[in-house]
Amino acid sequence: GAVVSQHPSWVICKSGTSVKIECRSLDFQATTMFWYRQFPKQSLMLMATSNEGSKATYEQGVEKDKFLINHASLTLSTLTVTSAHPEDSSFYICSVNHLRGRDGYTFGSGTRLTVV
Amino acid sequence: KQEVTQIPAALSVPEGENLVLNCSFTDSAIYNLQWFRQDPGKGLTSLLLIQSSQREQTSGRLNASLDKSSGRSTLYIAASQPGDSATYLCAVNQSQGNLIFGKGTKLSVKP
Repeated sequence: GAVVSQHPSWVICKSGTSVKIECRSLDFQATTMFWYRQFPKQSLMLMATSNEGSKATYEQGVEKDKFLINHASLTLSTLTVTSAHPEDSSFYICSVNHLRGRDGYTFGSGTRLTVV
Repeated sequence: KQEVTQIPAALSVPEGENLVLNCSFTDSAIYNLQWFRQDPGKGLTSLLLIQSSQREQTSGRLNASLDKSSGRSTLYIAASQPGDSATYLCAVNQSQGNLIFGKGTKLSVKP
């Protein structure tokens, strides 16, 4: 299966600043990566689908100008939370899907974001 | 709209017990179903993947079944151990290519 590395594992930032989260596919080329968010005691919810070389696809209710996604290479996708606010505090996690869904999804280790 | 429900939300058992976690989904048109384990503050570890054409999958002490027509899956854990304590997540994969997750079952296995 795929190996996915996510960095940082946790970050604390001040309100109004921006935070960048990296997701790397270590052992295969991922044309598509997925970004999820998980609030306490809630399900993981898909935020956006990151597409290499093109614009990301955002789920309904997710602000594309606030959550900037860049998928500049086949092994790296980044999520930038711009002008973060306390309500953006959450667990962010990325995943890749190897072989068009037939092998399931592999997830990164996640990033715990706390905005103070 | 696909909805995934996991019951129970939490479960506490003594070490050595066999247990069953339940997952139900409202739309049977799924590509596959995947069970994950999530430790506190950590990422997800894939446990078992069941394709829509399959009925069950086994890995060690874990067995997952799928009844697509009734919208149900179960995860069976045999001879539970304290190290099995974690939150177990069920997720269905629809043809659009993203996962719909349940809220999980938090399992605690007491020594």
